[in-house]
Amino acid sequence: GEDVEQSLFLSVREGDSSVINCTYTDSSSTYLYWYKQEPGAGLQLLTYIFSNMDMKQDQRLTVLLNKKDKHLSLRIADTQTGDSAIYFCAESSTSGTYKYIFGTGTRLKVLA
Amino acid sequence: GAVVSQHPSRVICKSGTSVKIECRSLDFQATTMFWYRQFPKQSLMLMATSNEGSKATYEQGVEKDKFLINHASLTLSTLTVTSAHPEDSSFYICSAEQGVGNQPQHFGDGTRLSIL
Repeated sequence: GEDVEQSLFLSVREGDSSVINCTYTDSSSTYLYWYKQEPGAGLQLLTYIFSNMDMKQDQRLTVLLNKKDKHLSLRIADTQTGDSAIYFCAESSTSGTYKYIFGTGTRLKVLA
Repeated sequence: GAVVSQHPSRVICKSGTSVKIECRSLDFQATTMFWYRQFPKQSLMLMATSNEGSKATYEQGVEKDKFLINHASLTLSTLTVTSAHPEDSSFYICSAEQGVGNQPQHFGDGTRLSIL
């Protein structure tokens, strides 16, 4: 079945770059998304990439997609303490209902 | 743009009570909304897909008589947890799809439900 995996934890120093990785299994996904969740809150859409793209950059965020390896990454440049949160990648299902398959989430901790 | 409001943010009530949670898309119309449940330190689990003007589609293992979903307009979906028990305590999050077909989902801020 469809599965999306992420590493559970990442710790970086303030000012460094963070790279959060995600692997997925559904090669027919059309869109892949990155969301941020702060404690006790809902999910904030950060960015998304269409499956025919290799890269998308939006200010401090860079998304890389390797479709051959089914690997997605989110790079946050100049990471700040306010970036500390849980980051979820998600792929849209191709089952006809456009449901998301969420990754397990990566908890990013930024050290001052 | 693309703001989703979820209300209430927190509910504490006695076992046996029914609780209604509202999800509104404030600045766009949403034909499709989704309801998720999130356990501590876990990812989101999709409970059901809510379509305006039709019955919700529930995921396997989710009791439709326990979790009643109504999507009466293009900006409002409600989830009612009927006769809630302590095991229903959880964080419930809704999302709304902006546009039709494979569009980004925008999420509410979630509802923390605690059943005593």
